[in-house]
Amino acid sequence: DSGVTQTPKHLITATGQRVTLRCSPRSGDLSVYWYQQSLDQGLQFLIQYYNGEERAKGNILERFSAQQFPDLHSELNLSSLELGDSALYFCASSSGTGAVTDTQYFGPGTRLTVL
Amino acid sequence: AQKVTQAQTEISVVEKEDVTLDCVYETRDTTYYLFWYKQPPSGELVFLIRRNSFDEQNEISGRYSWNFQKSTSSFNFTITASQVVDSAVYFCALSGGSSNTGKLIFGQGTTLQVKP
Repeated sequence: DSGVTQTPKHLITATGQRVTLRCSPRSGDLSVYWYQQSLDQGLQFLIQYYNGEERAKGNILERFSAQQFPDLHSELNLSSLELGDSALYFCASSSGTGAVTDTQYFGPGTRLTVL
Repeated sequence: AQKVTQAQTEISVVEKEDVTLDCVYETRDTTYYLFWYKQPPSGELVFLIRRNSFDEQNEISGRYSWNFQKSTSSFNFTITASQVVDSAVYFCALSGGSSNTGKLIFGQGTTLQVKP
């Protein structure tokens, strides 16, 4: 158990809908990262936050948004869902400043299925 | 651009065999970090090791060992005397870049099946 929690574990929804994925980092970690794992794209970095501020952005779609709250938990919002958004979404956290030196510890993931 | 290549898509071995998972990376950065993660059938990603670009010493942890060779841009992972519990997908990853963020670039993963 990495100490990173993600809810829900599974999510099934329909095209066009909006969902929110939640992540609580390890105790004391200020940096949070979101990744998407799909069969065709593999593991892709989406976005990174450090202490509430966006630190880096990857190939995140405009339909997706995220934020990190003052209590350090983070939410990833996915809207106007398409079939291709079906994937495993991971949250990770690290104890550093979110720099290249950090080791990221991953949560169990949220499996999103869009029907 | 940064890139990680794990050329072996799937490897199947019999228990107690040694197995090496290959990882080749591309980067123009002088400071970078390399990682290995394990994804067992349950789906979570488990951190195994981190290596920085200035430390080419090989590392051993129990049955696991890692060989980092900057000259060939490789960071290979060997499991000695494999066990059924080692069956998983293994990912090599790279962080680095002038932006100094923690963004990880993952390889496509190698699925290891260890048969009893």
